[in-house]
Amino acid sequence: GESVGLHLPTLSVQEGDNSIINCAYSNSASDYFIWYKQESGKGPQFIIDIRSNMDKRQGQRVTVLLNKTVKHLSLQIAATQPGDSAVYFCAENIDTGGFKTIFGAGTRLFVKA
Amino acid sequence: NAGVTQTPKFRVLKTGQSMTLLCAQDMNHEYMYWYRQDPGMGLRLIHYSVGEGTTAKGEVPDGYNVSRLKKQNFLLGLESAAPSQTSVYFCASSLGSAKNIQYFGAGTRLSVL
Repeated sequence: GESVGLHLPTLSVQEGDNSIINCAYSNSASDYFIWYKQESGKGPQFIIDIRSNMDKRQGQRVTVLLNKTVKHLSLQIAATQPGDSAVYFCAENIDTGGFKTIFGAGTRLFVKA
Repeated sequence: NAGVTQTPKFRVLKTGQSMTLLCAQDMNHEYMYWYRQDPGMGLRLIHYSVGEGTTAKGEVPDGYNVSRLKKQNFLLGLESAAPSQTSVYFCASSLGSAKNIQYFGAGTRLSVL
């Protein structure tokens, strides 16, 4: 919705450049890390996930990197396009002692044509 | 194939009123979830369900109740609405074997005056 994300960190990139969106997580027990994209007025949409025992996973135009030493997750988008403009959320899934999905606050990506 | 459908899209309540948010999915998913999204806080899990007839508390369950009488439907109830429940509510669903890939509805914007 329009009021969500008013105070989000914003990343502005030129069309065609690569984008890197970063996320810090806090829970060492997380099983999976996930990236979601949310366009204005819509629900989040799954982009890519990575299991906690992996360092890197590639998808179509996207790469997720996981650094467990510093609890850092990043999403790289190659050749960013105007359609990539959205809010991007990282999330952690914990499936022990009850299931939990914990979302980060989000980063707004703005692509300049 | 409609995916995840939420009704209503918008609602305004007075403090103390009750209402039920409806969520329906046509993907035969076992898991269903209710989240709320507030500015600068990402999505927070309210309740979830791992199957018909079962529900469990998430991160912020107080003030909400849920029911999963049919596999395809997940209802979120507010018995006595409070201004703090003003938010955008999202329903999601997933396969039990792929909880990382959650499919979201378009959201319900709720204002409690």
